[in-house]
Amino acid sequence: ETGVTQSPTHLIKTRGQQVTLRCSSQSGHNTVSWYQQALGQGPQFIFQYYREEENGRGNFPPRFSGLQFPNYSSELNVNALELDDSALYLCASSIDRGRNNSPLHFGNGTRLTVT
Amino acid sequence: DQQVKQNSPSLSVQEGRISILNCDYTNSMFDYFLWYKKYPAEGPTFLISISSIKDKNEDGRFTVFLNKSAKHLSLHIVPSQPGDSAVYFCAARTSGSARQLTFGSGTQLTVLP
Repeated sequence: ETGVTQSPTHLIKTRGQQVTLRCSSQSGHNTVSWYQQALGQGPQFIFQYYREEENGRGNFPPRFSGLQFPNYSSELNVNALELDDSALYLCASSIDRGRNNSPLHFGNGTRLTVT
Repeated sequence: DQQVKQNSPSLSVQEGRISILNCDYTNSMFDYFLWYKKYPAEGPTFLISISSIKDKNEDGRFTVFLNKSAKHLSLHIVPSQPGDSAVYFCAARTSGSARQLTFGSGTQLTVLP
């Protein structure tokens, strides 16, 4: 059983640029969430995708967008990068079968640095 | 507005002794709580969880206690081992929020040999 994999592991971008981060869900998982973890803080929820549709969003501006594909892999896109976007971006997958409480399984993250 | 707070950024414990990590929350709508462990350069790993209908859940060396009236939960690790050294995150969610977890800022646990 493969776990959650994210690419790339590290990325350096310039302010104003756009970035795409990728995630492959754990086998059998149909729900993917993205989190931003700034230095010294806990992860913050960005959004969640289920059946290729966004079904939950945290307090992040519209320049943060995402996609989920039929194979349950996912992308996080950030436009017009700002210095404060520098963080570790974590992808997490889970199985959603109604009101179950299966925990999130996280990938190792992508470290984004905006200069 | 931090809804989940871990007020101790770090904790050091001797190997074999008990580690107690604390977490406070303010949102009374939270009904499910989780603890995650994070090693450097890795993603958080699920450790243990508790539903708001319980006050204790145990899994091997790890026990989580929930005090709803005080809006407080704690993670006990007994006995502590050097391999337990990591950052521990407390997280919470409401039943209507699917997989949206609200995390605390974490506590760095160091278990000294």
